[in-house]
Amino acid sequence: NAGVTQTPKFQVLKTGQSMTLQCAQDMNHEYMSWYRQDPGMGLRLIHYSVGAGITDQGEVPNGYNVSRSTTEDFPLRLLSAAPSQTSVYFCASSQTRVYGYTFGSGTRLTVV
Amino acid sequence: AQTVTQSQPEMSVQEAETVTLSCTYDTSESDYYLFWYKQPPSRQMILVIRQEAYKQQNATENRFSVNFQKAAKSFSLKISDSQLGDAAMYFCAYRSPYGGSQGNLIFGKGTKLSVKP
Repeated sequence: NAGVTQTPKFQVLKTGQSMTLQCAQDMNHEYMSWYRQDPGMGLRLIHYSVGAGITDQGEVPNGYNVSRSTTEDFPLRLLSAAPSQTSVYFCASSQTRVYGYTFGSGTRLTVV
Repeated sequence: AQTVTQSQPEMSVQEAETVTLSCTYDTSESDYYLFWYKQPPSRQMILVIRQEAYKQQNATENRFSVNFQKAAKSFSLKISDSQLGDAAMYFCAYRSPYGGSQGNLIFGKGTKLSVKP
């Protein structure tokens, strides 16, 4: 049981480049979310999904896109990387609202 | 909108002693879920304990317990017999049972716990 798998673990981008952070879960969870973690800010919600084909914006969605074509996968796309997007990104999934989320191991992204 | 506040950016405890991390939250909902997550230097987010608001009994998981005061909107974490492996960042989080973005976890800014040998 792999849980939530995020790739890559580390990435350096140049300003203006685009990339996709991959996230996959094998627990058949309906709820999936992307968070970013910045020093002194806790974790902030970027986008989330309550099932395949359904996505919505969180607190800090600008500059990011998501899609959910399958229950298992929830990729996060950076359209045109900016230094302000330097952060640690976490993907998480949850079975129901009663339970907490299971997190991936995170991606440390640096935009130069 | 709901908010979560952790007023202690850093805490320190002696090994084998007890420490309490504070968390308060603001909500108009009567039903919700509260969580404590641990983030060690490895960066992994680990669920420590959870509490359902409709339950009056405080949750306990081995050396970890909570003091849930619903009227005061307070949810503190007590770590007993502290161990070196408890050193980490601890996040308090709120989750609404309803839809929308509030149905996701809303985090406090975290408390960094150091354990002295």
